[in-house]
Amino acid sequence: GENVEQHPSTLSVQEGDSAVIKCTYSDSASNYFPWYKQELGKRPQLIIDIRSNVGEKKDQRIAVTLNKTAKHFSLHITETQPEDSAVYFCAAFSSGGSYIPTFGRGTSLIVHP
Amino acid sequence: DTEVTQTPKHLVMGMTNKKSLKCEQHMGHRAMYWYKQKAKKPPELMFVYSYEKLSINESVPSRFSPECPNSSLLNLHLHALQPEDSALYLCASSQEGTRLTYEQYFGPGTRLTVT
Repeated sequence: GENVEQHPSTLSVQEGDSAVIKCTYSDSASNYFPWYKQELGKRPQLIIDIRSNVGEKKDQRIAVTLNKTAKHFSLHITETQPEDSAVYFCAAFSSGGSYIPTFGRGTSLIVHP
Repeated sequence: DTEVTQTPKHLVMGMTNKKSLKCEQHMGHRAMYWYKQKAKKPPELMFVYSYEKLSINESVPSRFSPECPNSSLLNLHLHALQPEDSALYLCASSQEGTRLTYEQYFGPGTRLTVT
């Protein structure tokens, strides 16, 4: 089955800095890669996603890059703000057979004012 | 309406009780999911329904019993749970559950405590 590794587990930055979270996956059949932000006690919220036919996608301060050859994708947050503090999960969805999302273990992002 | 709703928000039950969690969406999504999430851990997939049929059961103990009465509703029936089953139970839906991948929308979850 699919295996998704996410790093780092904790990331501490100063307000205004950039933050990068990286995920690797194992199943070459995976073709959809969302990123979720989860604040304490709340639901995971989709913040950006990318499909395997695209190498990069950007939405204001957030961007995601995908390297299919290396099987890794990354979340980039620029000009971080304290409200960006949360746990971020990456996931990989495979189209080969069963439709099962596999999540990374999460990154706790702390943005210090 | 782009929302998935779940009831109740909180549930405390004893190990001999029977209770049900409910999930509803009106986005016309044909795939619905149950996840279990422990603190500081990623959501753990339990069940997937595609077009109202159970398509995936991730080896979940029989004390959890899913039901999909129609395309908008998803239930999770609970019976004889253990304290280790205490967690946040999340429902999600997406446009289609097989082959084509679309974004998942999560409900707010039910915080379950088993005493």
